[in-house]
Amino acid sequence: DTGVSQDPRHKITKRGQNVTFRCDPISEHNRLYWYRQTLGQGPEFLTYFQNEAQLEKSRLLSDRFSAERPKGSFSTLEIQRTEQGDSAMYLCASRQSGTGETQYFGPGTRLLVL
Amino acid sequence: KNEVEQSPQNLTAQEGEFITINCSYSVGISALHWLQQHPGGGIVSLFMLSSGKKKHGRLIATINIQEKHSSLHITASHPRDSAVYICAVKETGKLIFGTGTRLQVFP
Repeated sequence: DTGVSQDPRHKITKRGQNVTFRCDPISEHNRLYWYRQTLGQGPEFLTYFQNEAQLEKSRLLSDRFSAERPKGSFSTLEIQRTEQGDSAMYLCASRQSGTGETQYFGPGTRLLVL
Repeated sequence: KNEVEQSPQNLTAQEGEFITINCSYSVGISALHWLQQHPGGGIVSLFMLSSGKKKHGRLIATINIQEKHSSLHITASHPRDSAVYICAVKETGKLIFGTGTRLQVFP
């Protein structure tokens, strides 16, 4: 257990539905990252926050995806109008800037879109 | 061409063998990470390197900045080392990952 938690761990949904995932980072960490990993591939960067500010978004993050970190603590990732291609593991990681580069990963949320 | 490439993609070994996993990258980086991912998804950071060599137990990681290449070595491999090993490079604020090397160590 790295101290980063994600909820839910698994989500099955029908195409067209909206889903929301939550990530709770290690409490003193100011940076929070979201990644997506499809089967047999390495994770791909989606977006990251420093405190509540979203500093960078990948081109992978279409307008159906939105991420927030309203109080600089937990973060949510919402996917609207899900598509089968959204099926993947969604990983969250956190770290404290200035104290080293190590990112601590959560267990991930596995999404299956039917 | 991927910005981070790993080889081999799959690796099987007998317990006790010395294992090497390679990572090459094409972008300018400030750091390189080696990560371990077990079935079920959990990712653990093993090393972060910006130069030279680091050792932790039976694991050794090296990096050659000029050649844009890093290696992860496992000495005296054990079945519990079976996992996916992922190389990732830090470019500006984010990590760029390789596709991983799936290692299976048999007793």
